[in-house]
This record gives sequence, C-alpha cells and structure tokens, in this order.
Amino acid sequence: KAGVTQTPRYLIKTRGQQVTLSCSPISGHRSVSWYQQTPGQGLQFLFEYFSETQRNKGNFPGRFSGRQFSNSRSEMNVSTLELGDSALYLCASSLTPSGGTAYEQYFGPGTRLTVT
Amino acid sequence: GEDVEQSLFLSVREGDSSVINCTYTDSSSTYLYWYKQEPGAGLQLLTYIFSNMDMKQDQRLTVLLNKKDKHLSLRIADTQTGDSAIYFCAERTWNSGNTPLVFGKGTRLSVIA
Repeated sequence: KAGVTQTPRYLIKTRGQQVTLSCSPISGHRSVSWYQQTPGQGLQFLFEYFSETQRNKGNFPGRFSGRQFSNSRSEMNVSTLELGDSALYLCASSLTPSGGTAYEQYFGPGTRLTVT
Repeated sequence: GEDVEQSLFLSVREGDSSVINCTYTDSSSTYLYWYKQEPGAGLQLLTYIFSNMDMKQDQRLTVLLNKKDKHLSLRIADTQTGDSAIYFCAERTWNSGNTPLVFGKGTRLSVIA
C-alpha cells in the first residue's frame, strides 16, 4: 500500500506570494491533518479534516487555510507569505478521525517551503 | 493546556541500549506515542501506549509508562547506527472529542560506531 504523498517536496516563494501544498493520504484513510515543523517551535498542529469537514484547527492566523476533497486528498494554502512561514509542512493521514481511539497517524515526507 | 517535554540530545555507543525520556502534563485518559524522524523524511510511527498500561514491548523497543509521575520512556535495545534520528514523544487526550497530537521538541539520538 502506498504511503502518504506530498507535492511538491520543495518550494521557494517570495514574501507576499501565496502557496498551495497538496497531500494524498494512504488509500482508505479519510482523516488528514497538517503540521508545521520549524527548528524553534517544533511540530505545531495546523488543522484536521475528515470527510471534507474541518474538525479541528490549531492556533494559526487566517492566512493558513485548507480543504479536503471527496477522494480524501487535501490541500493547504498560505496567503501573503511571511519569512516566518519557512518550514517543513507535514501531512498525516489516519483511518479514523481524532475523536476515535488509538488514532494512528502516518506522515508523509513533507514539503519544505522557503520564503525569501 | 497539554505540554510534552523531552531532553534534546542523547549519544550512545553501537550495541548499547538507548533510553529516551519524556514527561507530559495531561492527567486525562491519554494515548502516548513515539515517532522517529530521519533526515529529510517525515515522521514514522514507532509505537504507542494507552495510559492504562505500564509497559509495551515490540521487538527491540520497550515503552515504559509511569502514570503517577507522568513519565514515558522509550528503550531501544542493541542500538544500531540506523537508529540515529530524532525521536518525538506525543500525547493525545482521548476523552474530550477531537484532540490533535501534542508533540515534544524531539530528542536527537546519535549512535557512535
């Protein structure tokens, strides 16, 4: 079974631009979560989607948004990029949403975003 | 809110056991996870334990949970150079609906040949 895939793997953008990152979950997984990883802040939760509905949202400004499609694929968008948005953005999928037991999340390799 | 603390670095010799420690603050029913991240890669789920368990063993990995002290440890037996990575402890409160994982900052394990 293929793992979580994320595209693109690397991205360089300029301040003020916007960016869209894509995540394809493991086949059969309907829950997708996004995390931002930086050296200073570590791993921070952005949002979770299940069956095309946002179930949970982390403490990020409204410039960060996401959506999930009927095939469970998810995209996240960051508008008006700032230098501090430079990070590794990780997507994770799971069979069940966060309200269920166990909640095994499987991560993709991430998209490395650099804002100049 | 929830908080997860880990020491930042650990160095061990090949063949020795590694013990990575983690403390957490939430006292509710909790799932606790260990993830491994190799350079340039995402996080790999190693194992997890529910807070009503004291220990879980999976091949070279042993997880110990001291619920009273809110202390979690991951022991890697016969550590190999391929175990060099960053190890993340994560916590999730189960009994309050939709809660995401809260991660520690990670422990960088260096294995010396």
